[in-house]
Amino acid sequence: GAVVSQHPSRVICKSGTSVKIECRSLDFQATTMFWYRQFPKKSLMLMATSNEGSKATYEQGVEKDKFLINHASLTLSTLTVTSAHPEDSSFYICSGSPPGLLGTDTQYFGPGTRLTVL
Amino acid sequence: RKEVEQDPGPFNVPEGATVAFNCTYSNSASQSFFWYRQDCRKEPKLLMSVYSSGNEDGRFIAQLNRASQYISLLIRDSKLSDSATYLCVVETTDSWGKLQFGAGTQVVVTP
Repeated sequence: GAVVSQHPSRVICKSGTSVKIECRSLDFQATTMFWYRQFPKKSLMLMATSNEGSKATYEQGVEKDKFLINHASLTLSTLTVTSAHPEDSSFYICSGSPPGLLGTDTQYFGPGTRLTVL
Repeated sequence: RKEVEQDPGPFNVPEGATVAFNCTYSNSASQSFFWYRQDCRKEPKLLMSVYSSGNEDGRFIAQLNRASQYISLLIRDSKLSDSATYLCVVETTDSWGKLQFGAGTQVVVTP
């Protein structure tokens, strides 16, 4: 299957700092990528749709000024958690879909970034 | 009501046995359905897509019942390595590629 990487895999930061998470599609170009958040023992919740070269589309209840998304190239989307607080501690996962591979519905997920805000 | 609902389990299954569980979805217009597998503290990985006619991939059998709006997953001859959380996933109808996840069904295969 297609490969999506994320960096860093784990980050611990102090409250009030900003954290940037990178999501890269390694062997395909992704005009659209998705960012999810997963709390322990909970489902993945879609946060936003990242669109290459344009603004991200945020889901209801997700603050766009707090979760900044930049999709500057066809292989890289970044999520910046600004002024992080302990309640932002979560598992952040991105996904992308290679066009034409196994149909356009197949999403491939990055390995996730575990954020802990102290 | 949640868009996608699953029995959280855990389903404790003896090795070699069969286990089956369902997932219900609320949007009757949904067209694409998937089962993903998620291991503890890892990302979800696609297990199989679910087709209208039902489909089988080795020991895994997925079925779709549109009338009752549920999909099912059956695992035959369970292996210890099948222990994981199985996520039911439905593609939303409002935008391509947006997926809605169930909270997952935990399966524990015991020796």
